[in-house]
Amino acid sequence: AQKITQTQPGMFVQEKEAVTLDCTYDTSDPSYGLFWYKQPSSGEMIFLIYQGSYDQQNATEGRYSLNFQKARKSANLVISASQLGDSAMYFCAMREGTTSYDKVIFGPGTSLSVIP
Amino acid sequence: DVKVTQSSRYLVKRTGEKVFLECVQDMDHENMFWYRQDPGLGLRLIYFSYDVKMKEKGDIPEGYSVSREKKERFSLILESASTNQTSMYLCASSRPVGGTYNEQFFGPGTRLTVL
Repeated sequence: AQKITQTQPGMFVQEKEAVTLDCTYDTSDPSYGLFWYKQPSSGEMIFLIYQGSYDQQNATEGRYSLNFQKARKSANLVISASQLGDSAMYFCAMREGTTSYDKVIFGPGTSLSVIP
Repeated sequence: DVKVTQSSRYLVKRTGEKVFLECVQDMDHENMFWYRQDPGLGLRLIYFSYDVKMKEKGDIPEGYSVSREKKERFSLILESASTNQTSMYLCASSRPVGGTYNEQFFGPGTRLTVL
């Protein structure tokens, strides 16, 4: 079964508009972490934002915020004021547990295109 | 500036060849990972290592092996390359989990084509 689901293979957004990228996850572990990464066409994965399962508040990093709905097992990424440079693949990922090493599971990704 | 480097950006090999992909990190991270990325499948973990000479199988280890003789270097080996191993290979490293979050830092990737 898919542990990380991203139901939007491709998304378009007008420049300066906000966009939400969906991510749902599946785990029975009470302790986990959720990550979002960006992958531009150059190929390098760039870490954007993190949400821990026990964090009380939604994470924010500049124009990125994470809409964390624990009961629904949802961790959507919100990008405000989209820029042309936001055009990229976006991956949601999850780490389960708190062992000394982390095994992270990635979703299939969403391709975002920002239109001028 | 933190850095993960991979030995090649592009590589073309023939079926049956032994292929070495090298990854080096300069952040003194304990954990290192090898993923392959295919369209529509995201990143899939091949192997990871949480210490020198330690290795653990990921989700798709078949046809691959790894070596970690030094903390900063993690090698992925394709013992006998096959066409279905044509893919983008990404290396990553991270600190051990504990307290705050620990994101993975990725290299630029190696696009391997097996003919």
